[in-house]
Formats: sequence, C-alpha cells, structure tokens
Amino acid sequence: DVKVTQSSRYLVKRTGEKVFLECVQDMDHENMFWYRQDPGLGLRLIYFSYDVKMKEKGDIPEGYSVSREKKERFSLILESASTNQTSMYLCASSLTGAIIYEQYFGPGTRLTVT
Amino acid sequence: AQSVSQHNHHVILSEAASLELGCNYSYGGTVNLFWYVQYPGQHLQLLLKYFSGDPLVKGIKGFEAEFIKSKFSFNLRKPSVQWSDTAEYFCAVNADNYGQNFVFGPGTRLSVLP
Repeated sequence: DVKVTQSSRYLVKRTGEKVFLECVQDMDHENMFWYRQDPGLGLRLIYFSYDVKMKEKGDIPEGYSVSREKKERFSLILESASTNQTSMYLCASSLTGAIIYEQYFGPGTRLTVT
Repeated sequence: AQSVSQHNHHVILSEAASLELGCNYSYGGTVNLFWYVQYPGQHLQLLLKYFSGDPLVKGIKGFEAEFIKSKFSFNLRKPSVQWSDTAEYFCAVNADNYGQNFVFGPGTRLSVLP
C-alpha cells in the first residue's frame, strides 16, 4: 500500500513564525502536491513537483514556498505565517506516465495561526 | 481555467435511501474524472475513476458514477446508503492541458441517519 505521511496532525503557530510542513511518501512516486482544504472551497493546489528539485506554482502559491531535495520528501514552508493561512494542509503523491494516475493523500496537518 | 462544481453542499439521507451527488466541470477537451471520499478523521481516498470507455464506472463500496460528456457531468450514485457512508465527497477533474494536476470541487457533505 502507498503510504503518505505528514509530520504533524495538529500545529499551532504564532503570526510571523516560519512554519515547515513535511511530507514523505514511500512508493517512489515522481509527483508530489501540496493542497489546502477549506470548508466550501474544496482542495486548492498550492505547489507541486514533478521531480527532485523541480517545483511549480499551483493556484494559490502566495505566502508559501516548497522544497524537494529528495524524491520521497516534499516540504511546504510558510515564510511568515499569517492568520489567513489557518487551514488543513494535505500532501499527495502520484506516479507519472502516459496515463493520469490517482493521487494518494496523507492524513493532513491542521494548522492554526494565532 | 477549469472549474468543478458540486451541486449540493450538504445532503442528509436516511439509511437505505438512494444517493446521487452531482458534479459538473467546465473544460471542453479530454478529461479524466475522479471521485474521492473523506471519512471523518481519515485521509482522502479514491472511490472511482473514469479515463475512457464505458461511461458508467463502478467503484468501491457499491458506488458508481456516470460520465455524460454532453452535460459535462460525472454524477456519483449509490442505490442504498448506509450510516458508514457518512463522509465528505469530492469530485476531481484532470484536463488534458493540465499535466498531472487535478482540479477539485468544493465537496459535498453526506450525513446518513441510522
């Protein structure tokens, strides 16, 4: 079974703090994704990566950055956390190929910024 | 940009009732379609997917979905729901001009009363 793990289930940070969210997948997937999930808005793509050291902006990248130094690990960084970044953050991974493969999701990190 | 809409924000049913959750998307080209489910406290998992061929696809736990190209729709159905189907359901679309990425709908919360 594919396993996607996220470093924390719950996180509370103060405004202005630098926040790191870590994601690790164990199935050698090329693609990794960071989403935020908000009620009534579904999942919105923040950043994605197709390969090590590659990153692409998603639909809402402002205020976030990412790092992918190893294939299995994809980190989301909030340089200076703000209250409007309070949300559920989901990491996902998928294979790449001629067809579109399903995305496998981690359990999520619920971040509260006070 | 592609968008995905889901008709209902919250659906409440009694056990054994039939279920249909609507999903519409805005893209006119080739699409791959997915339904994901998120049970309370659990991570998102795939219910079913459509790539090509028979527009009626069957997934896990008795769910099925029908792709109607002319209506840009991919509605999810189940003939008889159970209390354990209580969850949030997300429709997702991958369009052929969007690489490996998905666009998710806002989600529909299903509550099944015992």
